[in-house]
Amino acid sequence: DADVTQTPRNRITKTGKRIMLECSQTKGHDRMYWYRQDPGLGLRLIYYSFDVKDINKGEISDGYSVSRQAQAKFSLSLESAIPNQTALYFCATSDLGVNTNTGELFFGEGSRLTVL
Amino acid sequence: AQSVTQPDIHITVSEGASLELRCNYSYGATPYLFWYVQSPGQGLQLLLKYFSGDTLVQGIKGFEAEFKRSQSSFNLRKPSVHWSDAAEYFCAVGARSGAGSYQLTFGKGTKLSVIP
Repeated sequence: DADVTQTPRNRITKTGKRIMLECSQTKGHDRMYWYRQDPGLGLRLIYYSFDVKDINKGEISDGYSVSRQAQAKFSLSLESAIPNQTALYFCATSDLGVNTNTGELFFGEGSRLTVL
Repeated sequence: AQSVTQPDIHITVSEGASLELRCNYSYGATPYLFWYVQSPGQGLQLLLKYFSGDTLVQGIKGFEAEFKRSQSSFNLRKPSVHWSDAAEYFCAVGARSGAGSYQLTFGKGTKLSVIP
């Protein structure tokens, strides 16, 4: 099984619908991230969380919200989806802490969202 | 804030030829530097990383990268490209803040095509 699991892997929805993308991890990491990938734009950070009580906005948080239900679960919501939110979404985790220096992110396989 | 520039959007090389993918970063201190690869329809896989020590780092699949502080660069190289290397490659820079925050910022990616 994958260490970082995203559901659903693919979703087609209509403008105005509420959508939730879920992420769960078995790596035991405190830090979790949601990125959005668009062709030619690379990956852009939407939200990140350093523990269950800590949620932070990334560079493109407008139109999105997140919930950190547990250390292992971090979900991304689109309250009212619009077509320009069509993208590939990645969840990631990190083990970077006070006493660790790797800084590596571990990614899920992505959730492709299409908003019609 | 940190930033990453990958000057080449698309590179085409012949199988067996050497490869160099360019990456320049902007950050005030010594950064954490990463190269990730994304095969079509897949998530991101870490190729290699640098955060201290030897400036020439070896990664998986025969890739290496050299950190050059004076040029703010972290170029990825491979002496002989295989058809399976066709993918999109992302350079990323990670940076801490004094408050313990940590973010990974990605470049826009370089798509590699390999001619048989």
